[in-house]
Amino acid sequence: DIQLTQSPSFLSASVGDRVTITCRASQGINTYLAWYQQKPGKAPRLLIYAASTLQSGVPSRFSGSGSGTEFTLTISSLQPEDFATYYCQQLYSYPLTFGGGTQVEI
Amino acid sequence: QMQLQESGPGLVKPSETLSLTCTVSGGSLNNYHWGWIRQPPGKGLEWIGNTHVSGTTYYNPSLKSRLTISLDMSKNQFSLKLTSVTAADTAVYYCGRRTVVAGGWFDSWGQGTLVTVSS
Repeated sequence: DIQLTQSPSFLSASVGDRVTITCRASQGINTYLAWYQQKPGKAPRLLIYAASTLQSGVPSRFSGSGSGTEFTLTISSLQPEDFATYYCQQLYSYPLTFGGGTQVEI
Repeated sequence: QMQLQESGPGLVKPSETLSLTCTVSGGSLNNYHWGWIRQPPGKGLEWIGNTHVSGTTYYNPSLKSRLTISLDMSKNQFSLKLTSVTAADTAVYYCGRRTVVAGGWFDSWGQGTLVTVSS
């Protein structure tokens, strides 16, 4: 199975900060990576797919980059509504796996 | 806009079978993979499995011996059956739509349903 390691697990930041979350894969996964945002009591929401493509309707302050084994999700200017937990998911091979999550506190 | 909605019992006894249905509205089951993901209380996400109208189905090996995912095209639904459940299967269960391109992603999710395994 491909393991995904997210860092940090917890992040405290202020409104307007630039925030970067890292996801490392235990083996190369090309660009077959997605990022999701989950707010308490809600379903995950797709933010980024194919490592760097912004899902329709997602604010442009979110961006993704990377390929192979190292990926990043960046929020360019953190907003109060960005308080959430963020997960990466690899879609390169079965079983599909998720990272452990990064909780972002404003 | 396609919508997904999970339904099923919120409480299942240990050793019994957990059965959930996901009803898809606003579109057909064709042209996508359909899957299940779960999240134990306070923990992260776990992919359970997904299926396609072609019959191709993939399961998480950790659950494969107890798991069946199937489609009902006539009702525009897909279902999950997990046998011999234990407390470790207590989780919020989400159904999701996965795109069929290489490395396809889950772009639409149901709201989730909490299933508790307890006597």
